[in-house]
Amino acid sequence: DGGITQSPKYLFRKEGQNVTLSCEQNLNHDAMYWYRQDPGQGLRLIYYSQIVNDFQKGDIAEGYSVSREKKESFPLTVTSAQKNPTAFYLCASSTRDYGKETQYFGPGTRLLVL
Amino acid sequence: AQSVTQPDIHITVSEGASLELRCNYSYGATPYLFWYVQSPGQGLQLLLKYFSGDTLVQGIKGFEAEFKRSQSSFNLRKPSVHWSDAAEYFCAVGTSGTYKYIFGTGTRLKVLA
Repeated sequence: DGGITQSPKYLFRKEGQNVTLSCEQNLNHDAMYWYRQDPGQGLRLIYYSQIVNDFQKGDIAEGYSVSREKKESFPLTVTSAQKNPTAFYLCASSTRDYGKETQYFGPGTRLLVL
Repeated sequence: AQSVTQPDIHITVSEGASLELRCNYSYGATPYLFWYVQSPGQGLQLLLKYFSGDTLVQGIKGFEAEFKRSQSSFNLRKPSVHWSDAAEYFCAVGTSGTYKYIFGTGTRLKVLA
């Protein structure tokens, strides 16, 4: 079955530690996205990538980094510079229909700080 | 600036009752509009979408939404709610040419047995 997988489901970060969240899709989508979800704030875009080896900052990119070496994969690193990383992180992907793309979401990773 | 407003943070309805969740948007061009549903601790599932054409859009799970340009609204409706519909619902607008969505802050639906 085609879909988006995120791992791990729960992730714990210690002070000063970088952690990486995995996102893989087998939908053959060109575009991929990372969102952060906090209670009462909806979803906020962290980074997005339209094609391999290219990505753009979203609205809240500070303290995060990404890479896009393969079409299927778009890992997100939460660096020690992100002072408030506790949140639910959602990965999404879409085709590139230039304005008519539909984003499909993975199951999410909850990041907690120890 | 583009924005999406979901005026109701929480809504409670009885099972079998009808439902309408409100969504208002602010966007200069023709919007692309979406409704997603999220169960606790899960990702978002697409319910329906509007790009153009018929302003009444049918989705999954018996949901429908109507695009009203004059009111800048895209309200979600269901004629008879089931207990399994309890979840959080998000409205989103797609911004043409940028691949970016703007999400509302969500409406949490509670269903009484």
